Amino acid sequence: SQTIHQWPATLVQPVGSPLSLECTVEGTSNPNLYWYRQAAGRGLQLLFYSVGIGQISSEVPQNLSASRPQDRQFILSSKKLLLSDSGFYLCAWGGAARADTQYFGPGTRLTVL
Amino acid sequence: AQKVTQAQTEISVVEKEDVTLDCVYETRDTTYYLFWYKQPPSGELVFLIRRNSFDEQNEISGRYSWNFQKSTSSFNFTITASQVVDSAVYFCALSEATRDDKIIFGKGTRLHILP
Repeated sequence: SQTIHQWPATLVQPVGSPLSLECTVEGTSNPNLYWYRQAAGRGLQLLFYSVGIGQISSEVPQNLSASRPQDRQFILSSKKLLLSDSGFYLCAWGGAARADTQYFGPGTRLTVL
Repeated sequence: AQKVTQAQTEISVVEKEDVTLDCVYETRDTTYYLFWYKQPPSGELVFLIRRNSFDEQNEISGRYSWNFQKSTSSFNFTITASQVVDSAVYFCALSEATRDDKIIFGKGTRLHILP
């Protein structure tokens, strides 16, 4: 069966520091991968999605970036964090079929101070 | 443009009561998919159901049931005999299959089941 991992689970970082969040998927090949952010108040915002290695689509202009160095690895990064980057970051994977179900990881709670 | 509206921001019911969460969507496509996800306090989104636009049959899974009505562009979710463990935020979502693989989420409904 497929599983999705995210780490770290929680992170407290000072403003201006770099960020690296990692997401890995097991049990499937060539998944579509997604990064979402959920700020306080619940709404889910799609940040990036990837349909293959090295293929990244950005949804929202910001100081975050994403990379997919391996088929089942998706990394969210920042060179300098802002206070507004605080939130709950969720990684998800989906199949290649159109509008396939997305399955979410446990999330990373990021607090920028 | 695609849009999902969950008008109920927060609902509280007493345990064992039935509760319905409303979801209204907008799309110009004839082929689309609707989803419901549950987000318990732990934070992880749990997939509940996926329904395509050509299947209007209502679905029942244990205490959960879904009512899909294309005529009113609604995909409502009912929990029968609610339990405290049902307390969570519930998200309705839409994906237009003819466009891309992105899912548009509603803002969610926070459900409190009171003991």
